[in-house]
Amino acid sequence: DIQMTQSPSSLSASVGDRVTITCQASQDIRNYLNWYQQKPGKAPKFLIYGASNLETGVPSRFSGSGSGTDFTFTISNLQPEDVATYYCQQYDKLPPTFGQGTRLEIK
Amino acid sequence: QEHLVESGGGLVKPGGALRLSCAASGFSFSGFYMSWLRQAPGRGLEWLSYISRDGEYIDYADSVKGRFTVSRDNAKNSVYLEMNSLRDDDTAVYYCARGSRTGIGRFHPWGQGTLVTVSS
Repeated sequence: DIQMTQSPSSLSASVGDRVTITCQASQDIRNYLNWYQQKPGKAPKFLIYGASNLETGVPSRFSGSGSGTDFTFTISNLQPEDVATYYCQQYDKLPPTFGQGTRLEIK
Repeated sequence: QEHLVESGGGLVKPGGALRLSCAASGFSFSGFYMSWLRQAPGRGLEWLSYISRDGEYIDYADSVKGRFTVSRDNAKNSVYLEMNSLRDDDTAVYYCARGSRTGIGRFHPWGQGTLVTVSS
């Protein structure tokens, strides 16, 4: 199985900050990477597909980049409602696998 | 609006069985792959199984292979997960999620989840 490693596991930032999360795959997954947001007690919400394509309706302060094994997820101008755990997920090979998650808090 | 609603969760003893259901609405159910995923308390997301549009293609995670069975009824816009030989470590919130028209791809949307607790 392809292992997905996210860093950091948690972070704390201030409103208005730029926040970056990285996701590394154990092998080349091309750009077959999604990002999800999960707020406490809620189901995950799909944000980004194909490493860099924003799902319809997702605020433009969210963005993604990367290909191969190294990927980045960025929130520019952090908002209070962005408090959540963020997950990357590869879909290049079965089984689809997720990173362990990054918990984002507001300072 | 695209919507998924899971049901069937509950408390079950180790070795027991449970059947989860997921009802879809707001989209052409038969045109999409469907998946089941779960999240153990305080843990991350784990994909469990997928089923293709007509049920011809099915796959499972190693952790549930041989114990769980996925099925779908396109006439009822529903997908199911039959869970047998349940263990303590199967305790989790179980989600159904829509895949793409051609495979798994993205998981979107997700249901609200149904809690399965395996305990004596």
